[in-house]
Amino acid sequence: DQQVKQNSPSLSVQEGRISILNCDYTNSMFDYFLWYKKYPAEGPTFLISISSIKDKNEDGRFTVFLNKSAKHLSLHIVPSQPGDSAVYFCAAGEGVRWAGKSTFGDGTTLTVKP
Amino acid sequence: GAVVSQHPSWVICKSGTSVKIECRSLDFQATTMFWYRQFPKQSLMLMATSNEGSKATYEQGVEKDKFLINHASLTLSTLTVTSAHPEDSSFYICSVKQGREVDIQYFGAGTRLSVL
Repeated sequence: DQQVKQNSPSLSVQEGRISILNCDYTNSMFDYFLWYKKYPAEGPTFLISISSIKDKNEDGRFTVFLNKSAKHLSLHIVPSQPGDSAVYFCAAGEGVRWAGKSTFGDGTTLTVKP
Repeated sequence: GAVVSQHPSWVICKSGTSVKIECRSLDFQATTMFWYRQFPKQSLMLMATSNEGSKATYEQGVEKDKFLINHASLTLSTLTVTSAHPEDSSFYICSVKQGREVDIQYFGAGTRLSVL
């Protein structure tokens, strides 16, 4: 049973446009969520997070939206840049001070075309 | 955030040999480190939680005798793949967690293991 799902394995957008990456989860106990970005042959790097007490968190070009009732979150990148091309992982966990067990989705490969 | 160094970045070994992968937290004392495994086009799967000075906690289905974890200091955890076989070929990544509003993981660059 996959608790965190990223149903789109890939996404292609034009430079300057908005990129929207989606993530769904099934475990209602999850109360914080993170997005990581990963380049080939590198480890993931933290991008942005959101806890369940919020429905939106913004950091520069990156905004994460959380819809708890739908168990859905999304990452918006505006404007998209070619350097944003990478694999984006959604992760979720229980409790703000957790034991470390984030559950990761399968990732979405974003390609931003110049 | 924390800086995590992982070594080697790529290793090729013969079937039946053992391989050790090091994970160092360069600027942060990590009582806990995590080891993940990633197959191509798949997610990161947590293998085990490495605890400084005590035994590692392994996830269900992970053979602790095959994947030996040692966390002897606050800055170093090692993963040894014993008697490696081709099916152990994968991308292994370690991480440390550091707290902000939520705990964030900082990952090493990963180790590509190829078992011939």
